[in-house]
Amino acid sequence: DAGITQSPRHKVTETGTPVTLRCHQTENHRYMYWYRQDPGHGLRLIHYSYGVKDTDKGEVSDGYSVSRSKTEDFLLTLESATSSQTSVYFCAISEFGQTENYGYTFGSGTRLTVV
Amino acid sequence: TQLLEQSPQFLSIQEGENLTVYCNSSSVFSSLQWYRQEPGEGPVLLVTVVTGGEVKKLKRLTFQFGDARKDSSLHITAAQPGDTGLYLCAGSQGAQKLVFGQGTRLTINP
Repeated sequence: DAGITQSPRHKVTETGTPVTLRCHQTENHRYMYWYRQDPGHGLRLIHYSYGVKDTDKGEVSDGYSVSRSKTEDFLLTLESATSSQTSVYFCAISEFGQTENYGYTFGSGTRLTVV
Repeated sequence: TQLLEQSPQFLSIQEGENLTVYCNSSSVFSSLQWYRQEPGEGPVLLVTVVTGGEVKKLKRLTFQFGDARKDSSLHITAAQPGDTGLYLCAGSQGAQKLVFGQGTRLTINP
């Protein structure tokens, strides 16, 4: 059983349209994160959440928003998709106080193409 | 500017050879983690090192944390095709967030 699932796995969208990616966890972890992965840049943090309705920005948050209305779900929205947002998006989870020693558990990613 | 610099970014070697991947920073980390990622999947944690000078072994993989906790290395002995993948280092500075290096794409040729 996967403790974290992302949907959709693949999406192609047009420039200027809104897009929402979903991350669902069954581990009841407090922390959830959205990263994007691009060649030469590794994983860069977009937004993260430290509880229901508690979110904060990461290093590449422009053009993205997030929401967390339930512990298990963390949504990432591209308000008006641009070609520079073509990327692979990963969700990750972690329990409070455990990131340092136990790291993250990642989802399988969503490959987003903006045309 | 990348907080964690990995080198090399690409490495292709023959089965049976040894290799070392480096992860360097000018910043101090409370812990350093190594992940391995396969195509179409998310990264999976291999190991965490938390003490300066710490060495951990995972079968043919040896991980070391620098004495000053600013750098780490991953050494693979007698590499096998199954070791092929993207290796990522990640540092924690105690704020429940990880900073990742750019990754090292390793290919082991039979």
